[in-house]
Amino acid sequence: DTAVSQTPKYLVTQMGNDKSIKCEQNLGHDTMYWYKQDSKKFLKIMFSYNNKELIINETVPNRFSPKSPDKAHLNLHINSLELGDSAVYFCASSQLAGSSYNEQFFGPGTRLTVL
Amino acid sequence: QKEVEQDPGPLSVPEGAIVSLNCTYSNSAFQYFMWYRQYSRKGPELLMYTYSSGNKEDGRFTAQVDKSSKYISLFIRDSQPSDSATYLCAFLNQGGKLIFGQGTELSVKP
Repeated sequence: DTAVSQTPKYLVTQMGNDKSIKCEQNLGHDTMYWYKQDSKKFLKIMFSYNNKELIINETVPNRFSPKSPDKAHLNLHINSLELGDSAVYFCASSQLAGSSYNEQFFGPGTRLTVL
Repeated sequence: QKEVEQDPGPLSVPEGAIVSLNCTYSNSAFQYFMWYRQYSRKGPELLMYTYSSGNKEDGRFTAQVDKSSKYISLFIRDSQPSDSATYLCAFLNQGGKLIFGQGTELSVKP
């Protein structure tokens, strides 16, 4: 009955590899997000999709490419992984997008380690 | 100047203590103010949110906002070991983005 789920939970890989993280939400929300949390616990938004359309695209290297096959899923593909990509990646979802308040629900995170 | 400043701690208190967590911000356009709690190896979860200056209480937790000083606080009364977590302040900007503070790591000792 997990509201926002992510796979895998842990990902250990070599520099230069390509990897994907998957996210699914069963809350019926229209908006999904990807966040990166660095080793100092600083959490920063990377992307946001509303009903499969990209609405927020922060200054993120173009090695990162989000894909939303439907509004319940948002995947993150990372090409040519670098040491600095090591972090915890969180997926989140909310009912709406925009500047009015609506609660964001976070997944359990994917801990990526690049060796 | 950073948009949001939060003391990362760590903060260690005895069980039963009153805890005060604080954030300052520079963007006067922020309209929604939130506190998230993050247990170790888990995702953040919303603890409280408010949109106006003043206090909002929920059980042992009180969120305080002072828009004139651009300062928000979270108070935890009668702190419990189960309150041990990282607490993140967060602000919703006009572009619909959540801007987080760095998080304060709290440990409540029995």
